[in-house]
Amino acid sequence: GQQLNQSPQSMFIQEGEDVSMNCTSSSIFNTWLWYKQDPGEGPVLLIALYKAGELTSNGRLTAQFGITRKDSFLNISASIPSDVGIYFCAVDSNFGNEKLTFGTGTRLTIIP
Amino acid sequence: EPEVTQTPSHQVTQMGQEVILRCVPISNHLYFYWYRQILGQKVEFLVSFYNNEISEKSEIFDDQFSVERPDGSNFTLKIRSTKLEDSAMYFCASSEAGLAGGQYTGELFFGEGSRLTVL
Repeated sequence: GQQLNQSPQSMFIQEGEDVSMNCTSSSIFNTWLWYKQDPGEGPVLLIALYKAGELTSNGRLTAQFGITRKDSFLNISASIPSDVGIYFCAVDSNFGNEKLTFGTGTRLTIIP
Repeated sequence: EPEVTQTPSHQVTQMGQEVILRCVPISNHLYFYWYRQILGQKVEFLVSFYNNEISEKSEIFDDQFSVERPDGSNFTLKIRSTKLEDSAMYFCASSEAGLAGGQYTGELFFGEGSRLTVL
């Protein structure tokens, strides 16, 4: 099946630092999505990217759809305690079916 | 704000028992999904459902699994004879529009999940 590899697997940062994570695939996709999962909850959509090269912001979050359509990155500026959680990239299939494939996740921990 | 609700939040069952997980999707949504997440792993697609039938299912969704929309509001996942490896968090999701129409137009809204523990 399709594999989305995220890096880093986990991050330990101090409040106020900027964060960068990325997601890569061996296949081309037409849509890249970034979700956040808080402990004990379901994933929540943060940003959706539809065009290669597209750069989209949502508050302190910025995400880009790689020009090769095989990768995407997510940046968080000036991190705050509520940014803690697991960040997943996801793609929808190119093949006209109704499923999302999720990446392996990046766990963000903020050190007080 | 409308949300997807799931019950139970946690179920413990013996191997071989039947389990039904229930979901109430957002009321004007037309597409319904089940995903699962084994502890510490990524979220995996199980099945999508539209117009009272399964539109897509993964290889995980074998004959032990079934879904149903018994009335206008509930969407259920049944596992007929649970196995140890079925232990996971099961997420229901719904969307207004489907994913297969070309450009992604339907944001998936996930419930808080039902944790299933099979002993």
